[in-house]
Amino acid sequence: KQEVTQIPAALSVPEGENLVLNCSFTDSAIYNLQWFRQDPGKGLTSLLLIQSSQREQTSGRLNASLDKSSGRSTLYIAASQPGDSATYLCAVSRLDMRFGAGTRLTVKP
Amino acid sequence: DTGVSQDPRHKITKRGQNVTFRCDPISEHNRLYWYRQTLGQGPEFLTYFQNEAQLEKSRLLSDRFSAERPKGSFSTLEIQRTEQGDSAMYLCASSLVAGRDTEAFFGQGTRLTVV
Repeated sequence: KQEVTQIPAALSVPEGENLVLNCSFTDSAIYNLQWFRQDPGKGLTSLLLIQSSQREQTSGRLNASLDKSSGRSTLYIAASQPGDSATYLCAVSRLDMRFGAGTRLTVKP
Repeated sequence: DTGVSQDPRHKITKRGQNVTFRCDPISEHNRLYWYRQTLGQGPEFLTYFQNEAQLEKSRLLSDRFSAERPKGSFSTLEIQRTEQGDSAMYLCASSLVAGRDTEAFFGQGTRLTVV
C-alpha cells in the first residue's frame, strides 16, 4: 500500500525567504506526482504535475523535483509572499491517487 | 467549461438521515475520484471511476456509502444512516487519462455536518 509523508507538517517563514517542502512515498512504481495548494475551507488547486520520466517542473516561483528511485519529491518556493500562505499537498498516482497530510505554510509580512 | 462542480457546497443533516452529493467533472474527463478530508488531514481516497466503471473502493467506505457514475458523466455519492463521524469535506476530482498523463483537477468540495 502506498504511503505518502510530508515534512514538515507546518512551517512559518518571513516574507522573501526561499523554502523547500518535502514529500516522500514508499512505492516508486508511480505514473506521476502532483503538487496542490489548498486554502482553508476550499478545494485543491493544481500547482505542478511531474511525470515519472521527468526530474523537475517549473512554474513561476515554484520548482518541483522528483527522484522516483528514492521515493522523494521537493517543492521549492522562491521569494515567498504572504499570499503563498496555504497548505501544500503532494499526491502520487498510478491507478488511483494518494495524498500526504500536507505542509501548512505561513509567510509573515 | 468552468472546472469540476460539486453540489451542494454545504449540507447539515441529522444523524440517521441519508444524504446525496453530486459531482460534475470537466467535460470529456474519463476518470473521476471521490475523497474525504477531515480538519488538518490530507484527502483520504474513497473510490474512483474510469468512465462508468467503479474500479476501486477503499475499505474506508462502509456499506453505508455508495457511489455511481451513470453513463460516465456526473457522479453521485450517497451516505445512508449518517453518523457524526461522517462529518467531513467530501472532494471530487476528475482527470483525462491519456497514457500516464493524469493531471487531476478538484472541485470546491461539499462540507457535511452531521448533528
